[in-house]
Amino acid sequence: DAGVIQSPRHEVTEMGQEVTLRCKPISGHDYLFWYRQTMMRGLELLIYFNNNVPIDDSGMPEDRFSAKMPNASFSTLKIQPSEPRDSAVYFCASSASGGKYEQYFGPGTRLTVT
Amino acid sequence: EDQVTQSPEALRLQEGESSSLNCSYTVSGLRGLFWYRQDPGKGPEFLFTLYSAGEEKEKERLKATLTKKESFLHITAPKPEDSATYLCAVLNSGNTPPVFGKGTRLSVIA
Repeated sequence: DAGVIQSPRHEVTEMGQEVTLRCKPISGHDYLFWYRQTMMRGLELLIYFNNNVPIDDSGMPEDRFSAKMPNASFSTLKIQPSEPRDSAVYFCASSASGGKYEQYFGPGTRLTVT
Repeated sequence: EDQVTQSPEALRLQEGESSSLNCSYTVSGLRGLFWYRQDPGKGPEFLFTLYSAGEEKEKERLKATLTKKESFLHITAPKPEDSATYLCAVLNSGNTPPVFGKGTRLSVIA
């Protein structure tokens, strides 16, 4: 079992540039979550999907953020245009159905916007 | 609104010095409480789920307990490799994802 896979692991970009983060969930898991983690705010839920359908995106900070899940094995989180305050570690997690929400996290993408 | 508070924010222990981490919560109908371990530069790693008051789960030197208002993660005779941030998350009776606390940073010194 490869676990949740995220790419890239590190991203450094300049303000105003588009950033795309990628995630492959654990096979068979039908929930996918995107989180952002900072020292100040901890782990914040941005959006989550069930069976590839976005269920709640109320945590997405602004219209600059968008997420898609075109199929059960791939999701993207896009920031356009990026700003320095977007610098954080972004995690993808997946879980199986049944309402248990035992989440399995990827290694994260450390984003730095200069 | 569901709230999860973890204390202390940071804890420094000598190797072998047992202690407990606290996770207190206010939630509308607890369906489950999760504990995770996070090492620097890595994603949170699932440890336990507790479903009802009085339940206990153990893994190596860790034991998690649950009451109606809080959960404790007891660490018995810790070793330096137990150093990590420990996160708890609570799941309410609605169909929404768990809410995470900000974590406790544990350092175990040899």
